[in-house]
Parts: sequence; C-alpha cells; structure tokens
Amino acid sequence: EAGVVQSPRYKIIEKKQPVAFWCNPISGHNTLYWYRQNLGQGPELLIRYENEEAVDDSQLPKDRFSAERLKGVDSTLKIQPAELGDSAVYLCASSLVSGGSYNEQFFGPGTRLTVL
Amino acid sequence: KQEVTQIPAALSVPEGENLVLNCSFTDSAIYNLQWFRQDPGKGLTSLLLIQSSQREQTSGRLNASLDKSSGRSTLYIAASQPGDSATYLCAVPSYGSSNTGKLIFGQGTTLQVKP
Repeated sequence: EAGVVQSPRYKIIEKKQPVAFWCNPISGHNTLYWYRQNLGQGPELLIRYENEEAVDDSQLPKDRFSAERLKGVDSTLKIQPAELGDSAVYLCASSLVSGGSYNEQFFGPGTRLTVL
Repeated sequence: KQEVTQIPAALSVPEGENLVLNCSFTDSAIYNLQWFRQDPGKGLTSLLLIQSSQREQTSGRLNASLDKSSGRSTLYIAASQPGDSATYLCAVPSYGSSNTGKLIFGQGTTLQVKP
C-alpha cells in the first residue's frame, strides 16, 4: 500500500513568488493534515481537513496561505506571495478518524521550501 | 495548553549501548502518544503509538512506556546501531475546546550512534 505522497520534494523560489504543494493521502483516510516544520523544531499544524471540510485552520496565515481538498482526497497548499520566513519543510499527514477516535497519523516525505 | 518537551536535545552514544529518550507533556488528559523517527531531509516515520490505556508498546529493539499521571513517556532503544542515528520526536493529540486532533510535537532528540 502506498504511503502519503507529496510533491515536489524540493522547491526554491524568490520572495514574493507563488508556490504550491500537493498531497495525496493514504487511500481510505478521511482526515488530512498540513504541518509546517521549521529547522530544529517539531512540526506545527497549519490546517486539518475531515473529508473536504477544513475543520481547523486557526494557525493558517490566511493573508497569504490557502488550501483546498477537492473531493475529499488530494489536497493543495498554496502560498502567495512567499516571504523569507516561509522557508521550512511542509509535511502532509493522513489518518482515519471515526467516532471521535483519533488513530495513528502517517506522514509524507515533505516538501522543503527555500525562499531567497 | 498542551506543551511537549524532549530532553536531551542531542545524544551521542557508542554502538551497542542501550539508551533512553525522554518526553514529557503538561496535560495528562491525552488520548494517545506517538513516537516518530525523522532522518535528515526526510519526513516522519511512525515508530510506536501508545493508547492512553496502555503502559507500554514494543517493536523490535524499541520499547515505549507511558505514565500519564506523571506526564512522561520514554523510548528505550536496545543495542543501538549506527542506523538508529536520526531525530526522534514524540507527539500527543491536542483536543482542547476545538477537538482538532492535531498533534503537538516536542522539539525532538537528535541521536548519533557512533560505530
């Protein structure tokens, strides 16, 4: 069974440019998470989806970040315009959540973004 | 607000040594606790998940324990190998008032096992 797939793996852009990241979760997982990991830190949640609904986007900088999860499967995270401080690893994770119980989260390889 | 702390931040041991990584959390009302491994430049690999009703979980040379009342978990690695060199992160789900299920991570312990 394939794990969480993310692309691209690496992205280098200049500040003020737009960038997009794509995630395909594990088949059958209804919940999808986007985390951001700064160097030397643990990941922090940006947004969480249950099916196609964003149920927690409280830590998503909405002035420049946007995300969507069409049809409750793949998801795209976009930054426009990017700032120097956005340089980080962007991790996608998925899990199967049912009846209020939270199961194991599985992570993709991440996209390492460098903003110059 | 849940906070997760991992000590030490870095650890270097000779090959073959048994070692313990520590994780502490401030709110003992957790649903479960997960230990991850992260290799440089890579994503997170789930190692062990301990449900709140469990006290420990084992996988090969790894053993994770959970003491909810004291807000602590340990990851025991037996007979360490150079291939165990990586950053180890622990995480607990955060529920609070929004019931988000997001994971709250510690900052990780970077382990180096020397041949």
